[in-house]
Amino acid sequence: AQSVSQHNHHVILSEAASLELGCNYSYGGTVNLFWYVQYPGQHLQLLLKYFSGDPLVKGIKGFEAEFIKSKFSFNLRKPSVQWSDTAEYFCAVKRLGSQGNLIFGKGTKLSVKP
Amino acid sequence: DTGVSQDPRHKITKRGQNVTFRCDPISEHNRLYWYRQTLGQGPEFLTYFQNEAQLEKSRLLSDRFSAERPKGSFSTLEIQRTEQGDSAMYLCASSLGGTESSQHFGDGTRLSIL
Repeated sequence: AQSVSQHNHHVILSEAASLELGCNYSYGGTVNLFWYVQYPGQHLQLLLKYFSGDPLVKGIKGFEAEFIKSKFSFNLRKPSVQWSDTAEYFCAVKRLGSQGNLIFGKGTKLSVKP
Repeated sequence: DTGVSQDPRHKITKRGQNVTFRCDPISEHNRLYWYRQTLGQGPEFLTYFQNEAQLEKSRLLSDRFSAERPKGSFSTLEIQRTEQGDSAMYLCASSLGGTESSQHFGDGTRLSIL
């Protein structure tokens, strides 16, 4: 079965530390890739997405992600986190040719200490 | 902000009762999705509509679950004879058509079964 794996359940960082959250997927065909963020008490919001082209994708709020096809990975990065980045982060995959439903990872909770 | 709207935000009911949730998508979006999210998990796909047609249903959607989108605008998700295992957050998302569209999520309806 297709799956999306997020390696870390909970990450705790101090402000200004660099962030990398791992995401791997198991589907071998062409995929679209997404990172969503859920701030406390809010709905899921799209951080960034990859459909094709440059595998390094820039998103909102200084986040970026790199698609490495050979590793089936789409890791999320930010050079310097802020307290306001405290949230839960979800990686999601959409198979090309599917009806469009997303397959999500279990999420990584990020806590940034001020 | 005319995002995806879900009602109610929270529903508490006794086991065996029927419940119905409503989702109003972003007005120009013709695709509508329902997901379910339990504690510690990412959202799991339930069903998908393009306009009024229900095009895909997950195996998670037992025969106690039914979803409609009668006029291609708002959608309802009904759960009959609720069970303890139905306790979850039910999320609605909508998107435009096209291969590079992104899903926009609502705040969800949290269902608690007593």
